[in-house]
Amino acid sequence: NAGVTQTPKFQVLKTGQSMTLQCAQDMNHNSMYWYRQDPGMGLRLIYYSASEGTTDKGEVPNGYNVSRLNKREFSLRLESAAPSQTSVYFCASSGTRIGTYEQYFGPGTRLTVT
Amino acid sequence: RKEVEQDPGPFNVPEGATVAFNCTYSNSASQSFFWYRQDCRKEPKLLMSVYSSGNEDGRFTAQLNRASQYISLLIRDSKLSDSATYLCVVNDQRGSYIPTFGRGTSLIVHP
Repeated sequence: NAGVTQTPKFQVLKTGQSMTLQCAQDMNHNSMYWYRQDPGMGLRLIYYSASEGTTDKGEVPNGYNVSRLNKREFSLRLESAAPSQTSVYFCASSGTRIGTYEQYFGPGTRLTVT
Repeated sequence: RKEVEQDPGPFNVPEGATVAFNCTYSNSASQSFFWYRQDCRKEPKLLMSVYSSGNEDGRFTAQLNRASQYISLLIRDSKLSDSATYLCVVNDQRGSYIPTFGRGTSLIVHP
């Protein structure tokens, strides 16, 4: 059981370039999430997918798009990267055990936009 | 007002000390509560869920006070390895149980 995996681990982009962050989970979870974490800001939700086939905006969706490819995979795309998107990006998933909904996180992608 | 608030610390304690963190939340309809631990430059990891009756896991005790809308985490006999940031998480039932994270409390345990 790998849990939640993310690729790449590190990435440097120039302003205006695009890229896709990949996330996959093998825990048969229904819900998946993308967060960004900046110093002093805590975790902020970018997008989430409550179940396969649905996606919704979180707190900071501007500049990002997502795709829930299937139950396992949830990708995050930056169409035109900006320096303000320099951050650590975490993917997470959660199951549907009623009353719990604890999340499991991937190791993160450290993105620098120059 | 922030939905989930934590004292950022740092809490600087000697090994063996007992330390407690609180976390307040604003939505009285919040459904579930958790403490996560995050080491420097690593992903958050679930430490424990917080139940209405309180729960204990070894040296860690979590409590929920719905009337005053806060949760607490008590760490007894602190170890050097407990040094980390502790994140409070509150889930609201908005169809998908979207969690709200506090910004975390930093704990430094020194020899």
